[in-house]
Amino acid sequence: AQKVTQAQTEISVVEKEDVTLDCVYETRDTTYYLFWYKQPPSGELVFLIRRNSFDEQNEISGRYSWNFQKSTSSFNFTITASQVVDSAVYFCALSEEGSGNTPLVFGKGTRLSVIA
Amino acid sequence: DVKVTQSSRYLVKRTGEKVFLECVQDMDHENMFWYRQDPGLGLRLIYFSYDVKMKEKGDIPEGYSVSREKKERFSLILESASTNQTSMYLCASSHRGYPYNEQFFGPGTRLTVL
Repeated sequence: AQKVTQAQTEISVVEKEDVTLDCVYETRDTTYYLFWYKQPPSGELVFLIRRNSFDEQNEISGRYSWNFQKSTSSFNFTITASQVVDSAVYFCALSEEGSGNTPLVFGKGTRLSVIA
Repeated sequence: DVKVTQSSRYLVKRTGEKVFLECVQDMDHENMFWYRQDPGLGLRLIYFSYDVKMKEKGDIPEGYSVSREKKERFSLILESASTNQTSMYLCASSHRGYPYNEQFFGPGTRLTVL
């Protein structure tokens, strides 16, 4: 069965600090997809990244970076030099290979507060 | 840009009322989903649909039904609203084409049942 665990319920950092959000997943499939979404106070989930199970290269996008390690079933998300606008709830999600209509399984989210 | 819209941002209903939550997407996506979001519980899947008139139960379908008469529209129905259905409801859609399972979300409807 699929499962996504985000052990950190809430994190609070001071602006300009680096912060890492942890995500651990469980799946029996060899082909799967991992996602990160951001939910700002406005409520709408915003897609950040998708990674497939065959691509373990780390990815960097501006201040955001993602570390995918199959050996530890983790897909961690780091924000460098955090800003107040990064304050949001962040969700990690997993989708197993299927017929293309497999729902995502979400973690419970990590609420990040960046204090000025 | 993909756009998923939901009929209301905020809704207040009384116990026992029949409630309709509407979701429309404009990207010709095959898949549509309804989630509810509660503090500490994350997003939980209520129902999803991968084609017109098709529906599948998610993790918490009890007390809900859905309707998908047109590809772009997916409705969530609370037959007899109860206070424990007070929640944030999120609609999402995705393309079925493999391997793109990315879901696009609407702004959410915050429903309060009194």
